[in-house]
Amino acid sequence: KAGVTQTPRYLIKTRGQQVTLSCSPISGHRSVSWYQQTPGQGLQFLFEYFSETQRNKGNFPGRFSGRQFSNSRSEMNVSTLELGDSALYLCASKTYQPTGELFFGEGSRLTVL
Amino acid sequence: DQQVKQNSPSLSVQEGRISILNCDYTNSMFDYFLWYKKYPAEGPTFLISISSIKDKNEDGRFTVFLNKSAKHLSLHIVPSQPGDSAVYFCAASRGNNFNKFYFGSGTKLNVKP
Repeated sequence: KAGVTQTPRYLIKTRGQQVTLSCSPISGHRSVSWYQQTPGQGLQFLFEYFSETQRNKGNFPGRFSGRQFSNSRSEMNVSTLELGDSALYLCASKTYQPTGELFFGEGSRLTVL
Repeated sequence: DQQVKQNSPSLSVQEGRISILNCDYTNSMFDYFLWYKKYPAEGPTFLISISSIKDKNEDGRFTVFLNKSAKHLSLHIVPSQPGDSAVYFCAASRGNNFNKFYFGSGTKLNVKP
């Protein structure tokens, strides 16, 4: 069974630009969530999608947005990039059940110059 | 607002000995807890979980203990192996909160040969 796939793995942008990150969940997983990892901050929850609907959102500004497609693939977008947006962005998929673990991709490493 | 805290950023243990990683949480509504291991340049991988109806869960060398009154959980690794050297994250959620997890900031474990 293929795991969670994230693209691109690495990217460099400059301040003010926007970026779109993509995530393909494990087949059959309809829940996709996004996390931001920065040094010393652990993983911060961005948002979660289930069946194309955003069900949960973390405490991030409106510059961070996402969507989910009918095939459960998800994208997140960050507009007007700031230096502080440099981070590892992790996507995770999960079954619909309330218990069970998140399955993470390898992440997209964003560097903002 | 950090609802899940890992107060030890690093831990060093001799091979063969026990590693104990600690995690505290503030939200008494959390009822499901996970531990993840993360190597550099990889996504987090699931280790073990525990539901609030239990106070202990074992899986091979890994045991998680939950003390609900103290809002504290710990991960025991016995015996520790050099391959266990990684960053360990604990995470918590409310079972009905649509897969939104709160993560600690991580503890970097170094197992010395």
